[in-house]
Amino acid sequence: AQKVTQAQTEISVVEKEDVTLDCVYETRDTTYYLFWYKQPPSGELVFLIRRNSFDEQNEISGRYSWNFQKSTSSFNFTITASQVVDSAVYFCALSEAGGNNAGNMLTFGGGTRLMVKP
Amino acid sequence: DGGITQSPKYLFRKEGQNVTLSCEQNLNHDAMYWYRQDPGQGLRLIYYSQIVNDFQKGDIAEGYSVSREKKESFPLTVTSAQKNPTAFYLCASSIPLAGSYEQYFGPGTRLTVT
Repeated sequence: AQKVTQAQTEISVVEKEDVTLDCVYETRDTTYYLFWYKQPPSGELVFLIRRNSFDEQNEISGRYSWNFQKSTSSFNFTITASQVVDSAVYFCALSEAGGNNAGNMLTFGGGTRLMVKP
Repeated sequence: DGGITQSPKYLFRKEGQNVTLSCEQNLNHDAMYWYRQDPGQGLRLIYYSQIVNDFQKGDIAEGYSVSREKKESFPLTVTSAQKNPTAFYLCASSIPLAGSYEQYFGPGTRLTVT
């Protein structure tokens, strides 16, 4: 069965520091998709990125970057020069592309609460 | 604007009462989902629906029921059989092609049962 682990439950940094949120996953499928979502205090989940299992190229979007390594089953998320507005809970999620997941279901990690202090 | 609406934002009920949470989307998505989130925890899937008039149980369906009579709507009923109903409930929708598309989420309903 699939599983997503976010070992860091809470991280506190000072503004302008870089911070990396870890995500480790387990799956038997060879084709799968990984996601990161942000949940600000308002509660709504905001989609950040989707990555398929065949694309290990790292991605950068502004201050955000993602490091996907199949060899270690990890999909880590780095925020460079953190800001107070980055304070939120961040979730990593996995979706398997096999026949058992025709409904596009997501398996979520437990989330990492990031607190950025001014 | 396209999106998902959930109402109300906060809901209070007495123990033993059934309560229905609404979820409406205008994204033209076939698939819709209900998740439950408890404090400090991740999201757990309650029910999902890939198409109108069809739905499947998720990991924690006991004590909940759903209907999918219209593409745009996927209401969730929390029944009196649900032993710990107080939680934050999130609705989502997507194109139902496994993994290929992200799920879009509504703003959530925080249910408190006393």
